[in-house]
Amino acid sequence: AQTVTQSQPEMSVQEAETVTLSCTYDTSENNYYLFWYKQPPSRQMILVIRQEAYKQQNATENRFSVNFQKAAKSFSLKISDSQLGDTAMYFCASNGAGTYKYIFGTGTRLKVLA
Amino acid sequence: DAGVTQSPTHLIKTRGQQVTLRCSPKSGHDTVSWYQQALGQGPQFIFQYYEEEERQRGNFPDRFSGHQFPNYSSELNVNALLLGDSALYLCASSLTGYDQPQHFGDGTRLSIL
Repeated sequence: AQTVTQSQPEMSVQEAETVTLSCTYDTSENNYYLFWYKQPPSRQMILVIRQEAYKQQNATENRFSVNFQKAAKSFSLKISDSQLGDTAMYFCASNGAGTYKYIFGTGTRLKVLA
Repeated sequence: DAGVTQSPTHLIKTRGQQVTLRCSPKSGHDTVSWYQQALGQGPQFIFQYYEEEERQRGNFPDRFSGHQFPNYSSELNVNALLLGDSALYLCASSLTGYDQPQHFGDGTRLSIL
């Protein structure tokens, strides 16, 4: 069975600094997809970044990038130049090729301090 | 371009009642998934609908059922409500295919008294 683990319940970072959120996963699939979603207090889950497991190159979206270590089953999110609007819950998720359901971690609450 | 819309925003029910939640997918999307998010937890997959049929189901009892209409909108029905059903219910839409990212709505907050 697939599992996703986020071991940091809460983190804080100063505005303009860089922060890294950790995520580990377990899967028996050969191909799968990994995601980071952001959920601000407004509740809507917003896709931040997506990684396909068969692609070795780490995904990047503006200030957001991932460090994907397939052998270690690790998928961390780096936020550069943190902004107050980045304050939110961040969820790591995965789904295996051939399955449609996303498995989510328990989330990391990130607070960006002015 | 409208995103995923859910109604109602909030709902209060009592134990034993039945509830129906509604979802309209993002324009162009044909697949709808439902998730339950308990307070302080990550979302848990309930089921996914495609071509008006349930395509995959998570570990939820038969009290949870759904429907997808020809216009791709969807309903989630929960019968015989329990206190433990109190949660945020999220709808996500996508194009078909497990490689397609899911886009979420704002959710319906269901409270059971």
